[in-house]
This record gives sequence, C-alpha cells and structure tokens, in this order.
Amino acid sequence: EVQLLESGGNLVQPGGSLRLSCAASGFTFSSYAMTWIRQAPGKGLEWVSAIVGTDDRTYYVDSVRGRFTISRDNSKNMLYLQMNSLRAEDTAIYYCSRYCSGGCYSGLDSWGQGTLVTVSS
Amino acid sequence: DIVMTQSPLSLSVTPGEPASISCRSSQSLLHRNGHNSLDWYLQRPGQSPRVLIYLGSNRASGVPDRFSGSESGTDFTLKISRVEAEDVGVYYCMQVQQPPWTFGQGTKVEIK
Repeated sequence: EVQLLESGGNLVQPGGSLRLSCAASGFTFSSYAMTWIRQAPGKGLEWVSAIVGTDDRTYYVDSVRGRFTISRDNSKNMLYLQMNSLRAEDTAIYYCSRYCSGGCYSGLDSWGQGTLVTVSS
Repeated sequence: DIVMTQSPLSLSVTPGEPASISCRSSQSLLHRNGHNSLDWYLQRPGQSPRVLIYLGSNRASGVPDRFSGSESGTDFTLKISRVEAEDVGVYYCMQVQQPPWTFGQGTKVEIK
C-alpha cells in the first residue's frame, strides 16, 4: 500500500525556519516526482513546489522561491521542504503527493494526511 | 501564471440528479502529446484531496464511472451523472501544463 506521511509542522515565529518531512513507503520512491501542496485555513489548494526527474529538477511558486527548498533522499525514501524566512501567509496544512512524470502521468495519485504549519508571534 | 476559473463556486444537488462543474484556463493546456494538462480533484470534508480525472478526461483508478471529464478548447467540465451522498466536498481543477501548477478556486458540492 502506498503511504505518504508528513511531519515537522509546528508553531513558528515570523522569520523563523522549519523543515517538513514526508516519509514514503509502498512504492519505488525514486521513480516518482514529488510535490508539496498547501492549504491555508478555510482556503483552497495551492501548489508550492515539485522535484522531478533523475536530475532532481526543482520548481517553486513565486511566493516561496528563494525561501523554500525542496529536496529528496532516495536512499531513505524521504521528501523534504526546508522553509526559511517564514511569513504569516505561509500558515497552512502542507501535503506531499507523488506523480509519475512523463508518459505515465495519472494525476497526483497519492497524498499524505498533511502537517500543519502555523506562523505567528 | 495560468489562471484557472471555476464555476459555480457552490452547488446543492439532489441525490440521483446530475451535476456539472466548469473550469476555464487563461491559456491553452494542450500538451504536445495531444492531451490537455488538466486534472480534477475532490477533497471530502476533513480529508486529503484525491484525484478523480487526469489529463482532461481520464478517470483515475478506483473512481466510479459516474464521474467524467470533458474538454473544449480552454473550457473543461466535470460531470457527475448521478450524485451520491459520498460526493459531497470541494472539487478543484488544476492545470499541470506549466509550473507553477495552479488550482481553480474550488466548487463546494452539498446534498439537498
């Protein structure tokens, strides 16, 4: 069974840092692209970042570029999101999800349960 | 960035009746492979989203066949042929044509 389990969410002060983790199991992690998507309280979904391909190409939404860094450790089946210079508007539930990039795409077909990041003084 | 506009933003449906949600993209989502780079997701209350339709009209694994996706240029439609109680939640379209991937605002579906 495919499982994605996020952790690392917490209450942090504006300007602070946090590292989110996503533990993957039940599939060949290195064969999939991974993405982070967030949802502010009571709001819609917002794509944040993705890491794709054997060369680990990375993509970011403009609002986090330069502050957030997505990375992965295929030996540990782990996805990460390093979040620096956090702002109140980064407050959200952060979901990790997977997709098959290239000709095998079938949507973001597995999602974690999410981890809550709260940025507040 | 590609802007995705959904309508309506809320929908109240009688069980057994059909429902339809529209999504319009600000740019073409037609990939060179001939597919439209448009997915539909459902987020049930208190749950993580799940994919319903990918690349415009392909039903995801395990999704009931009462769900279907159609495309016409930059206009996309999710149809539920006969709404059931378990279909309540918020439906989102999302373009995966180019980063940043962007979602529509969401359509909240309730049962009458």
